[in-house]
This record gives sequence, structure tokens and C-alpha cells, in this order.
Amino acid sequence: GAGVSQTPSNKVTEKGKYVELRCDPISGHTALYWYRQSLGQGPEFLIYFQGTGAADDSGLPNDRFFAVRPEGSVSTLKIQRTERGDSAVYLCASSRAPGTGYEQYFGPGTRLTVT
Amino acid sequence: AQSVTQPDIHITVSEGASLELRCNYSYGATPYLFWYVQSPGQGLQLLLKYFSGDTLVQGIKGFEAEFKRSQSSFNLRKPSVHWSDAAEYFCAVGPMEYGNKLVFGAGTILRVKS
Repeated sequence: GAGVSQTPSNKVTEKGKYVELRCDPISGHTALYWYRQSLGQGPEFLIYFQGTGAADDSGLPNDRFFAVRPEGSVSTLKIQRTERGDSAVYLCASSRAPGTGYEQYFGPGTRLTVT
Repeated sequence: AQSVTQPDIHITVSEGASLELRCNYSYGATPYLFWYVQSPGQGLQLLLKYFSGDTLVQGIKGFEAEFKRSQSSFNLRKPSVHWSDAAEYFCAVGPMEYGNKLVFGAGTILRVKS
């Protein structure tokens, strides 16, 4: 079946602009995660959704970052007033409902470059 | 605080040689442990995971890992490396509660020389 998909694959934006990154999880997966991977680093957790609600947003670096999942499927990560330090690969992952497994399946990521 | 240390940033091995990638973790309780592989331009792929039970776990592509509680380690091994194994490998730790965040190490880049 289809895996996790993310669009766009690459995004170049100017400092100060607003961007949206989209994640389509695996069908039927109720948990969705966003991570950020900076150059030379491992992924760092940003936010986790169970269904439509954000169950843990402790990794969001500041209030310029926001994510939604209005219908419990597709999620959008929104970044306002982008800064050069936001440049990174943004990874999305999904996993099944509780009790049926814990593995997180990752998408290919969106590479964000802020100039 | 939870943390994962992968001491080796780069490792180079000859094709056909054995491989061991090190991973040490710091965690308040017994964690779930994972190894992921990332090829250029690709997403993270799960190689194997440890939840409980047998401390030697088998994964895909001929990889295995051993959980050693006394050493807080979860090292990844492969008896004979193939050129296609060249990639970046990440060790990760997560809580035993469902649905919580993974903490990743910084990764080890594996180069395979022919």
C-alpha cells in the first residue's frame, strides 16, 4: 500500500515568509508525528497528533510553528515569519491505533530552505 | 532527560566485512529501542526494534541488535556488509507508552569500500 507522503519535496522561501508543509499519513493510521532534521543531526520531535488533537506539542520551538490535523488524516505544519534557522528537513511519520503496534512509518520529508 | 549517543559519526568498512554500530541511551525506565536507516533522499526505514523479551533481535536486511541493560547499549551488527548498506543509521529510544515521541541519536554514516 501507499506509504506516508509529504509535499512539497523541496521548498525555498525568503526570510519572513509563511510556509505550509503537508503530510498524508498511511490510511487508517490514527497517530501522526512531525520531526525536524537539521544538517548532521538526527530527527527531533516537534508534535504528535492522536486523531484530530495534538496530544504532545512540546517539541515546537516557538509560537511561529503550528500544526493542524482537522479531519484526523492529512496534517499541515505551518511556519510563520520564517527564519534562516528554520532551514531543515521536516519529516512526518504515522503509526497505527493503540494496541496494534508502535512502529512509526516515515515519509521522505520536505527540505525547507530559508534564504 | 532522555538521550541517545552514537559515538561514531562515520564508519568505513570493506564489503564483506562485519559491522557494529554503537548506540548508548539514557532513559529513566526500560525504553523501546529502534534502529532506522536513511538513504540519501529517502525517508527513515525501520531496521529492527526491541520492546521486551529476547535481548537479541533480528531485523531486515540481515541486521541484528543486542540490548544490554547493564551497559545501556543497543548496538547494531551485521556479519557481512554489502555495498548497498552504505547509508546513515539512526538509533532511537521511545517510552513504553503508546504514541509518544522518539528521541534519536545524531546518526552514523556508513561507507562501504569495495
